[in-house]
Amino acid sequence: DIVMTQSPSSLAVSAGETVTINCKSSQSLLYSGNRKNYLAWYQQKPGQSPKLLIYWASTRQSGVPDRFIGSGSGTDFTLTISSVQAEDLAIYYCHQYYDIYTFGAGTKLELK
Amino acid sequence: QIQLVQSGPELKKPGESVKISCKASGYTFTDYAMNWVKQAPGNGLKWMGWINTHTGKPTYADDFKQRFVFSLETSASTAYFQINNLTIEDTGTYFCTRGKMYNPSDHWGQGVMVTVSS
Repeated sequence: DIVMTQSPSSLAVSAGETVTINCKSSQSLLYSGNRKNYLAWYQQKPGQSPKLLIYWASTRQSGVPDRFIGSGSGTDFTLTISSVQAEDLAIYYCHQYYDIYTFGAGTKLELK
Repeated sequence: QIQLVQSGPELKKPGESVKISCKASGYTFTDYAMNWVKQAPGNGLKWMGWINTHTGKPTYADDFKQRFVFSLETSASTAYFQINNLTIEDTGTYFCTRGKMYNPSDHWGQGVMVTVSS
């Protein structure tokens, strides 16, 4: 199975800061046939189900604010949240759908 | 709008069975597979497998091959997930999610909390 390694595991931020969450896969998620990276990001708030934010590594799901930016290719990916707002406090998971689905362990975003 | 509505929380004893439902609405049920994902208390997400809603064929992840059963009631746009011979380690929240092969799940059920305790 493809192992997804996220860092950091938690992050304390102040409102208005920019944060970066990293995700590394144990093998490339880039499919040569269509040049797409099979990597998504989810946001999970307490007591809720995960919400899809980003897919194909950098495509925002409909309705997701443009302060959420996904980037990266191959085995190294990043979720950047610019100007963090209180409503962004949640756990963020990266997820590969290239092979049997696997998720990263999550990054908990907290307020300082 | 697209919704996946799951059944309510369950409290079970070790050795018992539990069956969870996931009712889909707002789309054609057979156009998307149904995945099942486990979240143990305080832990991350683990994909358990999926069921082809067109053929009814289930596929189980390696850790979920022995006591777990995915099934459908297509006429009711409902997917089911059963765990037999429950153990304490089965405690967790179980989500159904719709998806297509080689695509991320774009809609999730609200989750069902299953508690196994003697």
